[in-house]
Amino acid sequence: AQSVSQHNHHVILSEAASLELGCNYSYGGTVNLFWYVQYPGQHLQLLLKYFSGDPLVKGIKGFEAEFIKSKFSFNLRKPSVQWSDTAEYFCATYGGSNYKLTFGKGTLLTVNP
Amino acid sequence: SQTIHQWPATLVQPVGSPLSLECTVEGTSNPNLYWYRQAAGRGLQLLFYSVGIGQISSEVPQNLSASRPQDRQFILSSKKLLLSDSGFYLCACSLGRYTEAFFGQGTRLTVV
Repeated sequence: AQSVSQHNHHVILSEAASLELGCNYSYGGTVNLFWYVQYPGQHLQLLLKYFSGDPLVKGIKGFEAEFIKSKFSFNLRKPSVQWSDTAEYFCATYGGSNYKLTFGKGTLLTVNP
Repeated sequence: SQTIHQWPATLVQPVGSPLSLECTVEGTSNPNLYWYRQAAGRGLQLLFYSVGIGQISSEVPQNLSASRPQDRQFILSSKKLLLSDSGFYLCACSLGRYTEAFFGQGTRLTVV
């Protein structure tokens, strides 16, 4: 069965710092990968997704992620974070299953002004 | 676009009491439906998913069950709640295979 690992439990940055959140998946076949964000008090929202094609995926709010098949990774990046990016971020994949969307444990990002 | 309605937003129930959480979807038909439980530092645990009326797949053996009596209705139930059932429950839907899921606002359940 597929699994998703997120390396960092809590990341603390200052505004304008660059961000990279790690995500690794276990499935060796074709994968579909997602990053979701949960702002305080709000529901989960999709940031970006990868199905196929260009491994560098751009999402909303200046976020991007790179799919590296050889490393089983799909890391999330942003060049310059803002205080409003404070949220919890989740990586997810179907990883071979049509309908089972599996999530990582999440990374809490705190951006200090 | 689809909208997911979940209620109630918060619920406090005594141990041993029954549970019924309802989720309905608007704006689409034949969605795939999901129940997740979210716990701090543990991510989202998939509890049940359904690809059609009456079709339920259970991911985690537990004190809960799910039903899908109508195309856009998904119900999470328990006959007797345990303290360990406390948590934040999320309903989600997706359209088709391998597509992104859309989430409701969630229900915070506290079993006392």
